[in-house]
Amino acid sequence: QKEVEQDPGPLSVPEGAIVSLNCTYSNSAFQYFMWYRQYSRKGPELLMYTYSSGNKEDGRFTAQVDKSSKYISLFIRDSQPSDSATYLCAMTPSMNTGFQKLVFGTGTRLLVSP
Amino acid sequence: SAVISQKPSRDICQRGTSLTIQCQVDSQVTMMFWYRQQPGQSLTLIATANQGSEATYESGFVIDKFPISRPNLTFSTLTVSNMSPEDSSIYLCSVDGPSGNTIYFGEGSWLTVV
Repeated sequence: QKEVEQDPGPLSVPEGAIVSLNCTYSNSAFQYFMWYRQYSRKGPELLMYTYSSGNKEDGRFTAQVDKSSKYISLFIRDSQPSDSATYLCAMTPSMNTGFQKLVFGTGTRLLVSP
Repeated sequence: SAVISQKPSRDICQRGTSLTIQCQVDSQVTMMFWYRQQPGQSLTLIATANQGSEATYESGFVIDKFPISRPNLTFSTLTVSNMSPEDSSIYLCSVDGPSGNTIYFGEGSWLTVV
């Protein structure tokens, strides 16, 4: 079993839809959770960062962490064609220098059609 | 966020040869990280490079295959040695964010081994 599971998609939605992207994980030590967006032939770009449980909102994006269920989500409101990309979740137990090691999901490919 | 430049951005290499990837950061950083992203796979940490010391390699990666240099606080190189088609991948350089609570990635180096 992988430490982090993520549905590879593709997830196809019409423009304006609310998108829900999810990851599950098995290591209860994970404390820091991130979402990256990766356009084709580009490096991953940090979208959201959260620590422990709870919600965090940034514009059209909301990150949600439920540590009791070992489940994290990224919601995209009013999705746009420019949101079409692969979304990677990542997590780690610690951000202390020298101990940092991110564990990534395989990524979910999102396609937003006009 | 830090600006991370990688060279080459892409290359086609002959099997048995070696290629060195360069990573330049626009600010001084303590830790630099090298990741691999194979087709359809999640990002996997190869090694952590700390200036002035030997790189620390993750399980499954060895110095003879992936020698790393870290001559100063803004630069690192990763060499992929004696390449085979299985080494065809994206290689990504990453660094700690300024507040130390996440990491940022370069654009990646896309290697195809034929």
